[in-house]
Amino acid sequence: QPVLTQPPSASGTPGQRVTISCSGSSSNLGRNVVSWYQQLPGTAPKLLIHRNDQRPSGVPDRFSGSKSGTSASLAISGLQSEDEADYYCAAWDDSLNGYVFGTGTKVSVL
Amino acid sequence: QVQLVQSGAEVKKPGASVRVSCKASGYTFNAYYLHWVRQAPGQGLEYLGRINPHTGDTNYPQTFQGRVTMTRDTSINTAYMELSRLTSDDTAVYYCTREDVTTFAVWGLGTLVTVSS
Repeated sequence: QPVLTQPPSASGTPGQRVTISCSGSSSNLGRNVVSWYQQLPGTAPKLLIHRNDQRPSGVPDRFSGSKSGTSASLAISGLQSEDEADYYCAAWDDSLNGYVFGTGTKVSVL
Repeated sequence: QVQLVQSGAEVKKPGASVRVSCKASGYTFNAYYLHWVRQAPGQGLEYLGRINPHTGDTNYPQTFQGRVTMTRDTSINTAYMELSRLTSDDTAVYYCTREDVTTFAVWGLGTLVTVSS
């Protein structure tokens, strides 16, 4: 069912910058905003970025988002061990008349 | 504080139905859409649909149409998700989440549904 494509994994050493891509189509990312979620093992997803590039209060400014056309990106700068988690993008899809999630990216801190 | 409290784990046999509840507190129940998302073991997030608690209107993706039913009881600020004709592929953690204008900012802790003969 996922129609947003993410790389299955990404990694970096502490302090490095990691970028995760999210590729969609004209019916989702091309017309609607994207949000990003962090999921630690055994827990519910947590909102990280909303409306393409907005950080909720409490989310460190190491996390940033952007969107251009039918693609979006999440960047984690100054990577920390606690950033090891799964990350998902999500957006409304006008054709499916529902939300769609990305395939998910597992971030590892080496 | 804003909370979504879900019902406990369920074990069902193939072909049965399951109903999961999601009780909201700390905000005006009718004011926000509630959505349901599931996650099979080791897999990603999958969208099941939404309900407008104010009107009861629902939207389901085609994948689940005919098999999922979302309802609500405004007297007790609770939403329900019922999934029928269960198979082993429906084994997953089911989450309810509140939409804040295109964003899922509040999540329940999840309900594990296991389908096994």
